Amino acid sequence: AQKVTQAQTEISVVEKEDVTLDCVYETRDTTYYLFWYKQPPSGELVFLIRRNSFDEQNEISGRYSWNFQKSTSSFNFTITASQVVDSAVYFCALSDSYSSSNTGKLIFGQGTTLQVKP
Amino acid sequence: DGGITQSPKYLFRKEGQNVTLSCEQNLNHDAMYWYRQDPGQGLRLIYYSQIVNDFQKGDIAEGYSVSREKKESFPLTVTSAQKNPTAFYLCASSLPGQGIYEQYFGPGTRLTVT
Repeated sequence: AQKVTQAQTEISVVEKEDVTLDCVYETRDTTYYLFWYKQPPSGELVFLIRRNSFDEQNEISGRYSWNFQKSTSSFNFTITASQVVDSAVYFCALSDSYSSSNTGKLIFGQGTTLQVKP
Repeated sequence: DGGITQSPKYLFRKEGQNVTLSCEQNLNHDAMYWYRQDPGQGLRLIYYSQIVNDFQKGDIAEGYSVSREKKESFPLTVTSAQKNPTAFYLCASSLPGQGIYEQYFGPGTRLTVT
């Protein structure tokens, strides 16, 4: 069965600290996609990144970076020099079984609540 | 601007009443999804639709119904059969009906049933 685990329920940091959010996934598929979303207090989920299973290059976008390691089934998200506006719930998600259903469905982790204090 | 709208943002209903949540998108996306989020929980899929006039049950479809008569619209009805309807409901859409693409979300509707 496919599964996404975000073991960190809540993280609290002080502004300007770096913080890494962990995501571990389980899948039997060889082709799959991973996603990160941000849910600010307003409630709307904001798409951050999509990564396919054949692309293990790390990605950097401003203060955000993602580390995809197939060997450990992890897709971790790091925020450098955190800011108060980064305070939100962050979700990691995995595509549903690509080979069998191809439905576009996503499987979400439980989310990590990040609080950045001034 | 293109996007997904959900209305209303807050909805209050008495127990035993059916209620319909609106979801409209002008992104020309084929696929649409409904999720439920409970406090401190992740998102659970209720229903999804990959094409007009077709939809499938998600993981927690009991007590809910949907329709997909237009590409732009995917309303969700929470029926009186849903035992714990109070929750935050999120609608999403993605570009094709087939394949794996990122989903874009609406602002959500917070439903309270008393």
